[in-house]
Amino acid sequence: AQSVAQPEDQVNVAEGNPLTVKCTYSVSGNPYLFWYVQYPNRGLQFLLKYITGDNLVKGSYGFEAEFNKSQTSFHLKKPSALVSDSALYFCAVRDGPQGAGNNRKLIWGLGTSLAVNP
Amino acid sequence: KAGVTQTPRYLIKTRGQQVTLSCSPISGHRSVSWYQQTPGQGLQFLFEYFSETQRNKGNFPGRFSGRQFSNSRSEMNVSTLELGDSALYLCASSLRPSASTDTQYFGPGTRLTVL
Repeated sequence: AQSVAQPEDQVNVAEGNPLTVKCTYSVSGNPYLFWYVQYPNRGLQFLLKYITGDNLVKGSYGFEAEFNKSQTSFHLKKPSALVSDSALYFCAVRDGPQGAGNNRKLIWGLGTSLAVNP
Repeated sequence: KAGVTQTPRYLIKTRGQQVTLSCSPISGHRSVSWYQQTPGQGLQFLFEYFSETQRNKGNFPGRFSGRQFSNSRSEMNVSTLELGDSALYLCASSLRPSASTDTQYFGPGTRLTVL
């Protein structure tokens, strides 16, 4: 079955340090992977996605993510965290055309709360 | 280009009432998906509409329904409200159906509180 996991409910990092928010997935075909961010009382904002091609994907606000097929992971990273990066981060996965999981709906992780301390 | 808009932003209802939420997608987008977001369950998919047809449906009771109009605007309706329906309801739009590679863009959500 198609699934996505964000193993950490919360991540704390000091401003200026690198940050990583983890995501692992399970699909039957090749995955389409997405990262979104949600600020308090706001909707979700798109950060980046992996469809095919280079394993390292660069997105908005200096974020990037690395697709690792052998580890079925798509961790979100940023070299130097800002206090303004504090928010809720969601990973989502959809099965690719060769897969048949869940009618290829977008499946969401439960979110990781990132706190960047000044 | 204007983003996804949702109205109303906040809503307070009592148990047993019904509610209608509205979503206007980004201009040119024909696919609209609805999600329920709660702290414990994360984002739960409700349904997706494309070209006025429901393409996909999540595991919600029949009290939750939706529709899409010819201008791609969408509404969702919840009848006989229960306390557990209190949540943030998010609408997302994309050019093509969600089974594509297209990115979904989200509105700010409607915060529904059921008393």
